[in-house]
Amino acid sequence: EAEVAQSPRYKITEKSQAVAFWCDPISGHATLYWYRQILGQGPELLVQFQDESVVDDSQLPKDRFSAERLKGVDSTLKIQPAELGDSAMYLCASSRAGKVVTADTQYFGPGTRLTVL
Amino acid sequence: KQEVTQIPAALSVPEGENLVLNCSFTDSAIYNLQWFRQDPGKGLTSLLLIQSSQREQTSGRLNASLDKSSGRSTLYIAASQPGDSATYLCAAYSGAGSYQLTFGKGTKLSVIP
Repeated sequence: EAEVAQSPRYKITEKSQAVAFWCDPISGHATLYWYRQILGQGPELLVQFQDESVVDDSQLPKDRFSAERLKGVDSTLKIQPAELGDSAMYLCASSRAGKVVTADTQYFGPGTRLTVL
Repeated sequence: KQEVTQIPAALSVPEGENLVLNCSFTDSAIYNLQWFRQDPGKGLTSLLLIQSSQREQTSGRLNASLDKSSGRSTLYIAASQPGDSATYLCAAYSGAGSYQLTFGKGTKLSVIP
């Protein structure tokens, strides 16, 4: 069964350093999401892509976070500089939704656990 | 802005018991509602998705219901097993255009052998 791939699974970094996370969605899935999940909370959307275009990045802290999906397939989320409050699980999800964005089932990857020291 | 609440935050039951997890949402104009399972330190696994026009969905020992008018959904787990121990999250799809999922904080379920 196809899965969403993420790497690395774990990342430990020091405050003010740069970190990057990678996500490869299920083949053929046009919509890709990045979420942040703080321990004990539900995931919160950071950015949503439809193919290579950003649909919603209203919750993305743009002074330090950036995301791209250049060819409309895999995606990278970057934090620079990292802060202590960025420690969380970063989850990537994808759905089949194509040209017309719909409320389709989202499939999640295993996540990247980030610890900022 | 959509808000999703899950009660209780944690639940411990003996093996074999039937149980109900509750989810409520503030904006009834949802497109669908999705239930997920999350094991410690892992990603989310989709369990059931209920379209706004549906009242319930079933998969094996799981049954999810949706009442849009009252802003509630329930997840019923029959004959619970230790392997059901996990955190269960509900999420409501709402918002025209971007169709965002808004998650609750989850219910942590422990099934005691």
